[in-house]
Amino acid sequence: AQTVTQSQPEMSVQEAETVTLSCTYDTSENNYYLFWYKQPPSRQMILVIRQEAYKQQNATENRFSVNFQKAAKSFSLKISDSQLGDTAMYFCAFMKHGRGGGGADGLTFGKGTHLIIQP
Amino acid sequence: ETGVTQTPRHLVMGMTNKKSLKCEQHLGHNAMYWYKQSAKKPLELMFVYNFKEQTENNSVPSRFSPECPNSSHLFLHLHTLQPEDSALYLCASSQERGGANLKTYEQYFGPGTRLTVT
Repeated sequence: AQTVTQSQPEMSVQEAETVTLSCTYDTSENNYYLFWYKQPPSRQMILVIRQEAYKQQNATENRFSVNFQKAAKSFSLKISDSQLGDTAMYFCAFMKHGRGGGGADGLTFGKGTHLIIQP
Repeated sequence: ETGVTQTPRHLVMGMTNKKSLKCEQHLGHNAMYWYKQSAKKPLELMFVYNFKEQTENNSVPSRFSPECPNSSHLFLHLHTLQPEDSALYLCASSQERGGANLKTYEQYFGPGTRLTVT
């Protein structure tokens, strides 16, 4: 079984600052995916960024980037030039590659980090 | 708007009631999921349906009964629930492919149903 740990229950930064959210995971799988999801007060879960474990290059999506360290099983999210709209719960999630011949697999989530962007 | 809708958005039910949650995806995906989000636990996977067949039941009590009549619709039938079942129930969908192609299979979530059991 996989586990995902987010050690920061809450973080608060000033608008325009850079913030890094940490995530570690434990798995015996070699092929898997990692995701960061954002859940604002509306409760709508939104995909922020994804990383394939076989790729060494860190994923980047505009102001969001990850630091993926496979050997250390670490997957942190960096938000640059933070904005008020970034205020939300952020969840790190793990998904193993589908079974042989295909097949869906569910996500294993961490407990989340509540990020507050102060004006 | 993610292309995944859920109804109702809020539901209050007694422990002896029977109700159903509905999820519909408009993305042409072939896999659907139910997750439970309660206040004191991480999001928990409940069920996985792939090509309309249930491929995973994550040790969910039998008072929760899923149904997937086609690849666009997913239901969660509820009966004789307990107060601790009060939670946000999230539906998600994804496009799955077979073989060794390590494509990404990101899941798209609906807005959830806030369930309160009294």
